[in-house]
Amino acid sequence: NAGVTQTPKFRILKIGQSMTLQCTQDMNHNYMYWYRQDPGMGLKLIYYSVGAGITDKGEVPNGYNVSRSTTEDFPLRLELAAPSQTSVYFCASNQGPRDTQYFGPGTRLTVL
Amino acid sequence: AQKITQTQPGMFVQEKEAVTLDCTYDTSDQSYGLFWYKQPSSGEMIFLIYQGSYDEQNATEGRYSLNFQKARKSANLVISASQLGDSAMYFCAMREGGPSGGYQKVTFGIGTKLQVIP
Repeated sequence: NAGVTQTPKFRILKIGQSMTLQCTQDMNHNYMYWYRQDPGMGLKLIYYSVGAGITDKGEVPNGYNVSRSTTEDFPLRLELAAPSQTSVYFCASNQGPRDTQYFGPGTRLTVL
Repeated sequence: AQKITQTQPGMFVQEKEAVTLDCTYDTSDQSYGLFWYKQPSSGEMIFLIYQGSYDEQNATEGRYSLNFQKARKSANLVISASQLGDSAMYFCAMREGGPSGGYQKVTFGIGTKLQVIP
C-alpha cells in the first residue's frame, strides 16, 4: 500500500493563478480531509468528505474547492491564488471518525 | 476562549522517563473526539491516539496513553519510556460532533515541542 499520496511536493504560484493539489489513498477509506498548516501553528481543516460524492466545508474553506468523484481521490482546487494561501497542505484519510488517520507527506505552496 | 489550549511551548524529558503533555479543551457539545498528533522535524504528521467523549476508558496505543478527565476538560498525552525518536512537535486536536457522524469542526492547539535528552 502506498497510503496517502500527494502531488506536487512543492509549488510556487503567482497571485491570481489557479492549481489543483492532488490527493489519492489506496486504503479504501471513506473519510478524507484537507488541512493547511501555517508556520508555527497547528492544522486548520479546509474541507472534508465522508464518502464519494459527499463533501463539506471545514473551518477555512474560502478560496478553495473540492470534489470526491471516487473513493480514492480528493483533489483540492485553488482558484485565484492569494499570498494568504501560502502554507503547507496536508491530505489525510481514515476509515471512520475514530480510526487511525493517515496523512500524506504534504504540499508546500508559496504564492508570490 | 481558545478551543484547545496547550500551555507548554517546550518540554524536556530524559530518555526512558515518562512525560505528560497538557491539553485542555472547551466545547459545549456532548459528542466530540480528542486527538494527539506528532510532527517530527521532517514535517510529516503522524496520528497517535484518539479519545471519544463517551469512552469510559482512557485510550492507549503502545507507549502513548491519553489521560482523559472529562469534568476538567483535559486530555493530556502521556508518553512512557521516552525515546530519542520522540523528539517532535505534539499537537492536541478536537473534533466537535456533527450530524450523521460527520465532522462539523476540527480545532488544533498550537503544539508542544518535546525534546528527549540522552
